[in-house]
Amino acid sequence: SAVISQKPSRDICQRGTSLTIQCQVDSQVTMMFWYRQQPGQSLTLIATANQGSEATYESGFVIDKFPISRPNLTFSTLTVSNMSPEDSSIYLCSVTLPGQGYEQYFGPGTRLTVT
Amino acid sequence: AQSVTQPDIHITVSEGASLELRCNYSYGATPYLFWYVQSPGQGLQLLLKYFSGDTLVQGIKGFEAEFKRSQSSFNLRKPSVHWSDAAEYFCAVGALGNDMRFGAGTRLTVKP
Repeated sequence: SAVISQKPSRDICQRGTSLTIQCQVDSQVTMMFWYRQQPGQSLTLIATANQGSEATYESGFVIDKFPISRPNLTFSTLTVSNMSPEDSSIYLCSVTLPGQGYEQYFGPGTRLTVT
Repeated sequence: AQSVTQPDIHITVSEGASLELRCNYSYGATPYLFWYVQSPGQGLQLLLKYFSGDTLVQGIKGFEAEFKRSQSSFNLRKPSVHWSDAAEYFCAVGALGNDMRFGAGTRLTVKP
C-alpha cells in the first residue's frame, strides 16, 4: 500500500472564505480522487485529479467551487471556495496504485467546519 | 451506472457473537466489489476485495465476504466480533475506469 497524508486534518472556517487541502502520497500512484463525506453520510466523488490537466468533475460539482490541482504524480490539492455552512464535511483523497487493480486507498481526511 | 445498497443502517451485536453485514449491488457486468471500514475520525481502510475467481474472499482483521452473483450480493462476515470492530462499514462497487460507488454505510455497535 502507500502512506497518504492530508493537510490540514481539520479546520474551522468562516463563510465566504476558501480553504486549500493538500494530499501527499509517499509513492507514485496511477489515479487520485477527491471525495466529500457530509455528516452521517456516505462518500460522494467530487472529481478525478488528472496530472497536468484539468480535473474531471462529477455531476453537481464545478471547477469554480472546487478547483483541483495535480502538479505531479504524488501530490494534489482541493480548494473549497466561497464556503458556506453546507460545505461542512470530511474531504478525503484516495489513490490507486500501479499494479494493484482498482482498489482505492484513502487518506485520513480533512474535517471542515464552516461557521 | 453501478449502485450499492446496504439495507442496515445500524447493527448492534454482542462481543464474541457472529456478524453479517449485507450489501447488494446493481451493475450490468462483473463488478469489482470492496468492503471498507471507517473508525471514528479516521479515513477508510480496505478490508477486502473481489475481482474474480473464488467467490469467498478473506480480508484483514478476520473478515470474509462471499460474492453471490445470483443474489447480487457481497455480504461481509466475521465469526466473532471484538469491541474494536465498532465502526462504520462501507460496501463499494467499482467498474472500468476506477469509477467507484459507495453504499450508505452500516454502523456497527458492539455490546460488552
